[in-house]
Amino acid sequence: KNQVEQSPQSLIILEGKNCTLQCNYTVSPFSNLRWYKQDTGRGPVSLTIMTFSENTKSNGRYTATLDADTKQSSLHITASQLSDSASYICVVNGSASKIIFGSGTRLSIRP
Amino acid sequence: TAGITQAPTSQILAAGRSMTLRCTQDMRHNAMYWYRQDLGLGLRLIHYSNTAGTTGKGEVPDGYSVSRANTDDFPLTLASAVPSQTSVYFCASSDAAGGPDEQFFGPGTRLTVL
Repeated sequence: KNQVEQSPQSLIILEGKNCTLQCNYTVSPFSNLRWYKQDTGRGPVSLTIMTFSENTKSNGRYTATLDADTKQSSLHITASQLSDSASYICVVNGSASKIIFGSGTRLSIRP
Repeated sequence: TAGITQAPTSQILAAGRSMTLRCTQDMRHNAMYWYRQDLGLGLRLIHYSNTAGTTGKGEVPDGYSVSRANTDDFPLTLASAVPSQTSVYFCASSDAAGGPDEQFFGPGTRLTVL
């Protein structure tokens, strides 16, 4: 069964600290993987996309990694800011327009 | 550019009543989608449209219908609402169906069915 599992479900860290969010998937065949940020009360917004051949991609303080062999991805946030408080959703695109959403990690940044 | 808009922002609906959630995009995207988001679950696809004039069923289509008369609009209709349809509904669009294209999401409609 095609699945996308994220961990942890929720995370609280202090402002300025780093954190890493995990995404494991069983979607096959694999086309690409996106990380979305969803602020409270808003729709998700794409942060980065990873294709099969890419291992690392950065978007400012966000760095995504992909290991297509182990079917794992991570999103690392450096020097967290209060505005990073949000849910982060991992989305895997398989074949034939099959898009699977993870349930997200809810990140809270404390001052 | 407005991007993608949804209306209403929120709604309380009596069980058994019908309702249409509106979605409009101004990006001339071919593909549009309707999702529901429930606590602890990932976004689940209700219906989609790859291009104007065509629609398809997603993961959880029962109790919902859609139409795509033109490129910009993709309304979602609940013919006879039930409490289990209480959820936050997101409309999204992308340039092409499937592939690597980013989906752009609307702000959501929070629906409560009593």
